[in-house]
Amino acid sequence: AQSVTQLDSQVPVFEEAPVELRCNYSSSVSVYLFWYVQYPNQGLQLLLKYLSGSTLVKGINGFEAEFNKSQTSFHLRKPSVHISDTAEYFCAVSAAGGYQKVTFGIGTKLQVIP
Amino acid sequence: DTAVSQTPKYLVTQMGNDKSIKCEQNLGHDTMYWYKQDSKKFLKIMFSYNNKELIINETVPNRFSPKSPDKAHLNLHINSLELGDSAVYFCASSQAGGANYGYTFGSGTRLTVV
Repeated sequence: AQSVTQLDSQVPVFEEAPVELRCNYSSSVSVYLFWYVQYPNQGLQLLLKYLSGSTLVKGINGFEAEFNKSQTSFHLRKPSVHISDTAEYFCAVSAAGGYQKVTFGIGTKLQVIP
Repeated sequence: DTAVSQTPKYLVTQMGNDKSIKCEQNLGHDTMYWYKQDSKKFLKIMFSYNNKELIINETVPNRFSPKSPDKAHLNLHINSLELGDSAVYFCASSQAGGANYGYTFGSGTRLTVV
């Protein structure tokens, strides 16, 4: 089975500062990795995903993540955050292949301070 | 046009009642899911259907019964509601093969059992 750990429950950051949200995963097989964002009272929206190939993945809204197999990490970064980035961010993992269950982390609340 | 729509958005009901949540997607996706998000924002998969066939059935009380009349619809019926069923229930869909395409989520149904 796969699991994911989000190391920070809350991350406060000033507007226009860079941010990194940390995610580590555990799996004995190859994995797919995802980051989703949830704005208040909304469903989750896919930010980016890693399936294979280049370890640096670019997503929507200026976010990117880097897959590091040796450290079993998939940290999310943005060089300059905006107030509108305030939301809950979920890292997720599944075994590679079709019809696999996706397991979500507990989420990291990003709070952008004006 | 809403891609994944759930009804109702809010549901308040008494213990012991039976209720249903409906989900429809207009994306042409083959796979649909129900997730439960608890008060701590933890997301847990409940069920997954691929083209009307049940493919994931997690450890969920048998008071919960999904029904998929066609691949665009996945409903969730809950019998004998309990206080612990209070949560936000999310419907999601993906292209055939599931996880690697990423999920499209509905905006959720907030169920409150009193």
